[in-house]
Amino acid sequence: KNQVEQSPQSLIILEGKNCTLQCNYTVSPFSNLRWYKQDTGRGPVSLTIMTFSENTKSNGRYTATLDADTKQSSLHITASQLSDSASYICVVSEDQLTFGKGTKLSVIP
Amino acid sequence: NAGVTQTPKFQVLKTGQSMTLQCAQDMNHEYMSWYRQDPGMGLRLIHYSVGAGITDQGEVPNGYNVSRSTTEDFPLRLLSAAPSQTSVYFCASSYNSEATDTQYFGPGTRLTVL
Repeated sequence: KNQVEQSPQSLIILEGKNCTLQCNYTVSPFSNLRWYKQDTGRGPVSLTIMTFSENTKSNGRYTATLDADTKQSSLHITASQLSDSASYICVVSEDQLTFGKGTKLSVIP
Repeated sequence: NAGVTQTPKFQVLKTGQSMTLQCAQDMNHEYMSWYRQDPGMGLRLIHYSVGAGITDQGEVPNGYNVSRSTTEDFPLRLLSAAPSQTSVYFCASSYNSEATDTQYFGPGTRLTVL
């Protein structure tokens, strides 16, 4: 069964620091890989979408990278803000979408 | 644009009751879908629709029905609620294929079945 594994499960960082979230997947081939941000009590919001031929995609302070050879993606958050506290979900798209369980990020003052 | 709207935000049902979760979008999207999100699990696809009059099953369709009579609306019906259906339900839409296009999610309906 196609899987998407995210690490760490949860992460606490100080405001202003950088962090990197990891995503490993077994879905192959795939059309694109996405990262979503989900605030508590809200629906997921798309941050980045990368096709299998793209290595990196940025959206403000968020930068996603993709290594299709090792089947790994990462989401790097620069200069974290309190509003970055959320769950970050990695999603791999084949015919349908396979969702990871998410990484819960807490940014503290 | 209101985007994707869902009603109600919260609902408590007793086992065996039926209800309909409403979903509407005003972006003229062809593709709409329903997901459930449970603690410790990724979102799972319940049903989806590629256009008015067309629906299909996702990963976890049992106990749920859908219909798509208009482009805008995609209601989800629980026929006889069970405690296992306690979850947060999200409706999503995309312009064309969910696999290739940006997906827009609604705010969710939190359902508790006693």
